[in-house]
Amino acid sequence: GQQVMQIPQYQHVQEGEDFTTYCNSSTTLSNIQWYKQRPGGHPVFLIQLVKSGEVKKQKRLTFQFGEAKKNSSLHITATQTTDVGTYFCALEEYGNKLVFGAGTILRVKS
Amino acid sequence: NAGVTQTPKFRILKIGQSMTLQCTQDMNHNYMYWYRQDPGMGLKLIYYSVGAGITDKGEVPNGYNVSRSTTEDFPLRLELAAPSQTSVYFCASSYDRSPNYGYTFGSGTRLTVV
Repeated sequence: GQQVMQIPQYQHVQEGEDFTTYCNSSTTLSNIQWYKQRPGGHPVFLIQLVKSGEVKKQKRLTFQFGEAKKNSSLHITATQTTDVGTYFCALEEYGNKLVFGAGTILRVKS
Repeated sequence: NAGVTQTPKFRILKIGQSMTLQCTQDMNHNYMYWYRQDPGMGLKLIYYSVGAGITDKGEVPNGYNVSRSTTEDFPLRLELAAPSQTSVYFCASSYDRSPNYGYTFGSGTRLTVV
């Protein structure tokens, strides 16, 4: 099946700093989804990207889909303590199944 | 709407015991999934279902069984529990094609096998 590499594995930032996590695939993706999981919680859907070069924003979060549809990024501007958690990208396989990346753990120092 | 409801929230099993993790959704979603998440890891697909009466294996199905007799319910059965099955189990559901909604996850069942 398909796989997606997510980097970095872990990032610890000072509150107010920016944060970026990247997902890379060796194959062209039909779409990519992003999820956030708070410590001790469950994954929560953030967004889906479908189009080549697509950029979507949700307040301080910016999501990008690469031109070749093989990579994606999530950028958080001016992190806050409420941003703490693990951010997962996920790609869709045949049959509407999602394959999740390993996730990037974000910790924010206040 | 309750969304996706999982029970129990926590469980400790002894090696060799069996149990059923319950999952129910009230959103009339056709697609349902079971994932496991080991500490510090991503989610691995155990089984999934595209509708009542239809189930299929995911990436890590060994040691588990599922059934889907109704649209709402998708229980996961563990037979002969082993320490390797210690994990957090998440049930999820989705529309057939959901570009704007993604998966809806339950709050998880934290299982320890000792």
